[in-house]
Amino acid sequence: LAKTTQPISMDSYEGQEVNITCSHNNIATNDYITWYQQFPSQGPRFIIQGYKTKVTNEVASLFIPADRKSSTLSLPRVSLSDTAVYYCLVSGGYNKLIFGAGTRLAVHP
Amino acid sequence: GAVVSQHPSRVICKSGTSVKIECRSLDFQATTMFWYRQFPKQSLMLMATSNEGSKATYEQGVEKDKFLINHASLTLSTLTVTSAHPEDSSFYICSARPRQLSAYEQYFGPGTRLTVT
Repeated sequence: LAKTTQPISMDSYEGQEVNITCSHNNIATNDYITWYQQFPSQGPRFIIQGYKTKVTNEVASLFIPADRKSSTLSLPRVSLSDTAVYYCLVSGGYNKLIFGAGTRLAVHP
Repeated sequence: GAVVSQHPSRVICKSGTSVKIECRSLDFQATTMFWYRQFPKQSLMLMATSNEGSKATYEQGVEKDKFLINHASLTLSTLTVTSAHPEDSSFYICSARPRQLSAYEQYFGPGTRLTVT
């Protein structure tokens, strides 16, 4: 299983774009990159998943360079409600998910 | 779609008793479910992988006789914490993987807060 490295914490302000980068140097050919969001005392919530290049949905974008050794989750115009822990996970399809420490994002007024 | 529920949401039990936590996939079938434990301010720790109709696979360091897992159907997995002790107090979260061949996603339940007194 590929290990991931993320910043422990980040601070931002309402309305700003937040980019969280995750390093996964040992990603395997069949691995996908998935990001989850977790609020206190709740289960993680799926945000976005990708394999290469760029993926966008209604809440975020995921940028993956050609070598796939890193990925960046982009949250446009964050609000206070985006304060949470964000986890980057790398997994090959049906493999189990191993959570790293995640990134604690604090959005300030 | 893709909703996973857990019951109960929180439970308090006395030391030495057993507690059962249910995990259900409400609108999809899940051949595989996962159980995690999370202590305050820490990340999720995978405890075991539960496959429908077969024995669960436990992660290293997780006592299979203490944390009994049953995956009797494609929509239900249960975790029983036997002879609970205060150190078992934690937030237990399950997740389910849809049965579809193209499904790489896991959907997580809301979690169960267990407090052992």
